[in-house]
Amino acid sequence: NAGVTQTPKFRILKIGQSMTLQCTQDMNHNYMYWYRQDPGMGLKLIYYSVGAGITDKGEVPNGYNVSRSTTEDFPLRLELAAPSQTSVYFCASSYLGRGGDEQYFGPGTRLTVT
Amino acid sequence: AQSVTQLGSHVSVSEGALVLLRCNYSSSVPPYLFWYVQYPNQGLQLLLKYTTGATLVKGINGFEAEFKKSETSFHLTKPSAHMSDAAEYFCAVSGGSDSWGKFQFGAGTQVVVTP
Repeated sequence: NAGVTQTPKFRILKIGQSMTLQCTQDMNHNYMYWYRQDPGMGLKLIYYSVGAGITDKGEVPNGYNVSRSTTEDFPLRLELAAPSQTSVYFCASSYLGRGGDEQYFGPGTRLTVT
Repeated sequence: AQSVTQLGSHVSVSEGALVLLRCNYSSSVPPYLFWYVQYPNQGLQLLLKYTTGATLVKGINGFEAEFKKSETSFHLTKPSAHMSDAAEYFCAVSGGSDSWGKFQFGAGTQVVVTP
């Protein structure tokens, strides 16, 4: 098992550009999540999905979009990138999303918007 | 609503000394509690978790944590620090009224281990 994989590892965007962060998991997990991590702030939930075709907003969804067409993939789309979106982005997954289920994290994508 | 407070954003310990990282939570329902570790330029890795049962939970790399309901705490300890323990540690809580696994993370504690 590769677990949760994310591409790219690093990216620099200019203000106003768009990009898609890719996330794939091979554990047949139903739940998938996107977080952003800013220094001293912990992780904030951007979007999550409870299964293919079902997504919902998290704590900080503005400026982002997601889709979930398959169980394995959960891409995060940034439209009109802004400096405030400079962050490290983590994708995670869990089997059923029950309260006690742990989340498995990808290695992250470090994004800089200038 | 759930929340997590980690006391101390930076902790410095000597190699061989006790590591103690503090985590307090607020939750209106019995919580599920987690500690994750993040090594530089990596994702988060689960150290241990509390769901039900024994309140003293043992995890990987010699870490353990004790769930104390009366103190709403889930502090992480390791008797003897090793240089490889230098990392950032996150406490998280889940188990809200909708009983699904949305996590609330603390702000993290950076651990530095000195020789």
